[in-house]
Amino acid sequence: EVQLVQSGAEVKKPGESLKISCKGSGYSFNAYWIGWVRQVPGKGLEWMGMIYPADSDTRYSPSFQGQVTISADKSLSTAYLQWSGLKASDTAMYYCARGNFYGSGSYFLDPWGQGTLVTVSS
Amino acid sequence: EIVMTQSPATLSVSPGERATLSCRASQSVSSNLAWYQQKPGQGPRLLIYGAFTRATGIPARFSGSGSGTEFTLTISSLQSEDFAVYYCQQYNKWPSYTFGQGTKLEIK
Repeated sequence: EVQLVQSGAEVKKPGESLKISCKGSGYSFNAYWIGWVRQVPGKGLEWMGMIYPADSDTRYSPSFQGQVTISADKSLSTAYLQWSGLKASDTAMYYCARGNFYGSGSYFLDPWGQGTLVTVSS
Repeated sequence: EIVMTQSPATLSVSPGERATLSCRASQSVSSNLAWYQQKPGQGPRLLIYGAFTRATGIPARFSGSGSGTEFTLTISSLQSEDFAVYYCQQYNKWPSYTFGQGTKLEIK
């Protein structure tokens, strides 16, 4: 079974750093892009970016470029999303999902991880 | 950025009836359009990709149509487990994939 399992909920203070993870299993982790999606409580889904674990090629949404860092460790079949200085506005649920090739530059997301809730509060 | 607009924001339908959800793109996304279902406390689940191809394990009552800028998700006979929030997403403009704001499908 293809599965993405994310790390547990986090509570942080503004200005702190954080790295959350997404571990893939049941497929060749290196061969698929991994995407990250943000969902602010009670709101919709926002695309953040994607990484190709085989060579760490990373693409960011312009809205999140410079705000977060996406990385991967192919030896651990794990992708990461990190912040160097959290803000209260980063409070959200974060999902990872596998990107499935549909065409040049086109990838739909399936499956999704269970989500990691990040709460930033003083 | 391609803006995805879903309508209506909320749709009230009785079990057994048909539900029709719409998604419009601000510019053509060809057939690079997916639909996802999200239930409370859960992550999204892929229903449709390529505008009309059902994902593995998705019941035949779910169907997608459209291309270019206008898309539709139809649920032919609503079951109790179908009441959820539905999102469309374009994956045509790499890497700025965008989602619609969602349609909440509720029991009438």
